[in-house]
Parts: sequence; C-alpha cells; structure tokens
Amino acid sequence: QKEVEQNSGPLSVPEGAIASLNCTYSDRGSQSFFWYRQYSGKSPELIMFIYSNGDKEDGRFTAQLNKASQYVSLLIRDSQPSDSATYLCAVTGGAQKLVFGQGTRLTINP
Amino acid sequence: GAVVSQHPSWVICKSGTSVKIECRSLDFQATTMFWYRQFPKQSLMLMATSNEGSKATYEQGVEKDKFLINHASLTLSTLTVTSAHPEDSSFYICSAINRIGGELFFGEGSRLTVL
Repeated sequence: QKEVEQNSGPLSVPEGAIASLNCTYSDRGSQSFFWYRQYSGKSPELIMFIYSNGDKEDGRFTAQLNKASQYVSLLIRDSQPSDSATYLCAVTGGAQKLVFGQGTRLTINP
Repeated sequence: GAVVSQHPSWVICKSGTSVKIECRSLDFQATTMFWYRQFPKQSLMLMATSNEGSKATYEQGVEKDKFLINHASLTLSTLTVTSAHPEDSSFYICSAINRIGGELFFGEGSRLTVL
C-alpha cells in the first residue's frame, strides 16, 4: 500500500464550480498535512497546511482533515482556469520529511 | 519571502559525464535540505536528506555512490550525479528548512537531460 494516495485524475471542473481533491495516508503517526500546487515544469508551491482535525479556510481554499479516517481533502471554490495544475498531497510525521502522493491533475474548463 | 535557488535550472550532458546541481538558501540558514527527483507525470520522490556538516541520509534504493550529496555550509547543498545515464534524466528539486522557525521552502528545480 502506498503511503500517500491520491486519485491521479484528470479531474475536470467547470469554471466557477467547486473542485474537490482527496488524499488518504497510511501512517497514523503523521502529524502535518500539506497541499502543494505544481504547474508543468515548475517546482511545487505550498497552498495550505493543516495539523488539526476539522476545516481550515484560506481564501478560496479549504483543507479538511480527518485523522480517524486518515483522510485529507482540499476544496477550491469558484474555480478559475489558473487553478489548472497538478495538486500534490504531502504528509509528514516530523522533521519536515515530506512523503508525497502521486498528484491529481486538475483542469478548470472556461 | 525566503528563496531557495537551484543552479543550473536546466542542463544537458553526455552519457558518462558527471553533473553538479547546487541548492542555495539565499536569505536564511538551512541545517537540513532535501533532494527530490520527479519523473514526468509522477510525484516527487525523496532521494536523500542532507544535513550540514554530516553525511547525507539516503532513501532506500538510491545509490549513494551515484548521487553524491555535500552540505558544506548552512546555505549550500550540492547533488552530483556521477556517470550520468539517460535514465537519470529527470527534474531534481531541493527543499530547505529555515534554521529559525522551521519553515520549509522548495527550490525552483533543475531539469537534467542525459543524451
């Protein structure tokens, strides 16, 4: 079983709709959870991080964490074409050693 | 914001040669840096953890004699791909932890093509 799993997609969402990205992880000791956005040929950029169960909102982005279910998600409201990218879920148990999922390719259709 | 710079951003080399990639933290000191490799349409795979002043810790399956890592100062780590082959062609990305505050920053990545 992979340590961090994501649906590879591609996920297509119409402009203005909500995009929902999901991620599960296998290590119950994981403490910190990150969502990165990566444009083709570029390095990942941090979108959000979450440490505690529940929701965390930042602008159009909401991260949701459920440690009991070992599940973390990212919601993007009012999706824009510029949100089209690959979204990487990353998990760490400490020391900032990130384990990445395979990424979900998101396409926002105008 | 804090910047991590990689150089070169892209490099093409002949098979059998060695290539050095630098990762610099420009405005902070980093006791720990990480080196990742990303093949097309795949995720980032951690290769090694680089600690200033000590030997790097390599992930399982990564050849330490092929991928030489040197973290000689608090602002610089280097990855040398020795005797490069076409299968080493990849996007190599470093990240660095700010010694103060513990925040993690990614470099811009270096694309290696081995002919």
